[in-house]
Amino acid sequence: KQEVTQIPAALSVPEGENLVLNCSFTDSAIYNLQWFRQDPGKGLTSLLLIQSSQREQTSGRLNASLDKSSGRSTLYIAASQPGDSATYLCAGLTDSWGKLQFGAGTQVVVTP
Amino acid sequence: NAGVMQNPRHLVRRRGQEARLRCSPMKGHSHVYWYRQLPEEGLKFMVYLQKENIIDESGMPKERFSAEFPKEGPSILRIQQVVRGDSAAYFCASSIQRTGQGTYEQYFGPGTRLTVT
Repeated sequence: KQEVTQIPAALSVPEGENLVLNCSFTDSAIYNLQWFRQDPGKGLTSLLLIQSSQREQTSGRLNASLDKSSGRSTLYIAASQPGDSATYLCAGLTDSWGKLQFGAGTQVVVTP
Repeated sequence: NAGVMQNPRHLVRRRGQEARLRCSPMKGHSHVYWYRQLPEEGLKFMVYLQKENIIDESGMPKERFSAEFPKEGPSILRIQQVVRGDSAAYFCASSIQRTGQGTYEQYFGPGTRLTVT
């Protein structure tokens, strides 16, 4: 059974610092890995999707890497801003029906 | 193209009542997934449906919970005789294809927050 772990559970950084969020998974047979952002009381916003054949994806200040052999994905957010404060979730797609397995999330606070 | 819509956004029910949660997928999407987020926990898969078919309900509690996705209209998640432990945020997601192929994303709705008093 796939287990997805996110470390750390919470992170506080001053504005301008780079953020590094870690996600690990136990089963390397994943179809893809998605990173989401969740604001308090709100839904999920998809940030990046990395297919199993890819090593990384980039969008603006966001970059996500995927290393299937080590069971890890990392989300980098460059030059953090207070608006980046949110909970970041990673989710692995591990079966052909589309069932996403989520980590518990990393709660990020960027202080001005 | 409107996103995934869920209603109501907030729902309060007394113990023993029924809760009905609705999800309208994005236009052109025929695959719907329901997830539950309990307080202080991550999202857990509940059920995957295509039009008129339940494909995978391995995450659904065995009793009181049911889901449907009729040929016409939204997908419905029904919880009968609610208990306090059912209080959670319920999210649905839709995709244009079966996302197991790895290429197609699931797009999430804003969620329904159920409170059982």
